[in-house]
Amino acid sequence: SQQGEEDPQALSIQEGENATMNCSYKTSINNLQWYRQNSGRGLVHLILIRSNEREKHSGRLRVTLDTSKKSSSLLITASRAADTASYFCATDARTNAGKSTFGDGTTLTVKP
Amino acid sequence: DGGITQSPKYLFRKEGQNVTLSCEQNLNHDAMYWYRQDPGQGLRLIYYSQIVNDFQKGDIAEGYSVSREKKESFPLTVTSAQKNPTAFYLCASSPQHTTATSYGYTFGSGTRLTVV
Repeated sequence: SQQGEEDPQALSIQEGENATMNCSYKTSINNLQWYRQNSGRGLVHLILIRSNEREKHSGRLRVTLDTSKKSSSLLITASRAADTASYFCATDARTNAGKSTFGDGTTLTVKP
Repeated sequence: DGGITQSPKYLFRKEGQNVTLSCEQNLNHDAMYWYRQDPGQGLRLIYYSQIVNDFQKGDIAEGYSVSREKKESFPLTVTSAQKNPTAFYLCASSPQHTTATSYGYTFGSGTRLTVV
C-alpha cells in the first residue's frame, strides 16, 4: 500500500474558508513534501518539511508534521477559487532515501 | 525559461505498438524520473536516472524502457508488453537523486496516452 495516504479524498469549501488536508504514512521518514496538481497538468512543489521540524509556513500555506503519529497536515487559509486542485503528499522513507512515495491525493474544490 | 518539456501532450497507441514519450529539461539537473498516474490515484515510479548512461527500475518498470544518452533527455518507450498502458505519464527532474527529496522535483506537464 502507499506510504503516504491523504484524507479526505475530496473536500469542497466556499471561497474564503480554510482547507485542511491530512497525510498519514507508515515508516520513518527523512522528510515530507506537499505538491499541487491542477487538472491535467504536472505537479508543482509547494513545501517540504524535514523530520526534525514540526511546522512550516509559506504564504497562505501551513504544514505541520507529527512524527509520533506519522502524520502531516496541510492548511490553506483564506482559500481562493484558484486553489482548486489535487494535493499530494510525498514521503521520503529513511529506508528508501532519494525516492519519494506519493499518496492518492485530496481533491479540493473551492466554490466562488 | 528553465523547465521540463514533455511531448506530445496527447498520444494514441494501437494494440501491439511501441510508442515513445519525450522528456527534455534545460535545468542542468542530473536526475530524471518517469511516473505513471492513473485516474484518482497518486504517482508510481517507472524508471529513474541519476546520471547520463545510467538508469534504474522503479516500482512498475515492466513493459517500459528508457535511455539516458544525454543529460537533457530521458525518453520513455511504452512497449507492447505493457498490457494496460492507458494513463497519464509525468516526467520529473531534480538536481541530484540523493537530494531529490530534499529540494523537491520539477515536473513536466505530462503526456496522456490512450490505447485505441
